[in-house]
Amino acid sequence: KAGVTQTPRYLIKTRGQQVTLSCSPISGHRSVSWYQQTPGQGLQFLFEYFSETQRNKGNFPGRFSGRQFSNSRSEMNVSTLELGDSALYLCASSGAGRHDEKLFFGSGTQLSVL
Amino acid sequence: DQQVKQNSPSLSVQEGRISILNCDYTNSMFDYFLWYKKYPAEGPTFLISISSIKDKNEDGRFTVFLNKSAKHLSLHIVPSQPGDSAVYFCAASEPGGYQKVTFGTGTKLQVIP
Repeated sequence: KAGVTQTPRYLIKTRGQQVTLSCSPISGHRSVSWYQQTPGQGLQFLFEYFSETQRNKGNFPGRFSGRQFSNSRSEMNVSTLELGDSALYLCASSGAGRHDEKLFFGSGTQLSVL
Repeated sequence: DQQVKQNSPSLSVQEGRISILNCDYTNSMFDYFLWYKKYPAEGPTFLISISSIKDKNEDGRFTVFLNKSAKHLSLHIVPSQPGDSAVYFCAASEPGGYQKVTFGTGTKLQVIP
């Protein structure tokens, strides 16, 4: 079974630009969540999608948005990029998205904002 | 407000000895706790979990202990192996939170051969 796939692996953008990251969950998984990892901050929850609906959202500004398609694939968009958005963005999937289910993570997209 | 705290950013242990990684939490609504391991350039992978109705869970060389009154959990690795060298994240979730998981800042474990 293929794991969680994130594309691209690396991105370099400049301030003010926007970026779209993509995530393909494990086949059969319906829940996709996104996390931001920065040095010293651990993983910060961005949002979770289940059956194309956003079920939960973390404390991030509205510049961060996402969506999920009918095949469970998900995209995350960051508009008007700021230097502080430089981070590793991780996507995770699980079957039913219960709070006591383990997450399966992709390798992440490393975003650098110059 | 950091609801899950890992106060030791790093830990070095000799191969064959016990590694003990600690984690504290403040949110009393958390009822499920997990540990993830992360190697460089890879995403975190699930290691072991524990429900709040238990105080101990074992899986091979890995044991997680939960002390609800102290809001503290720990991960024991016995014996430690060089391949265990990685960053370990403590994580917690609460009922109704779906996949909104709160992570600690991680502890980098180095197992010295």
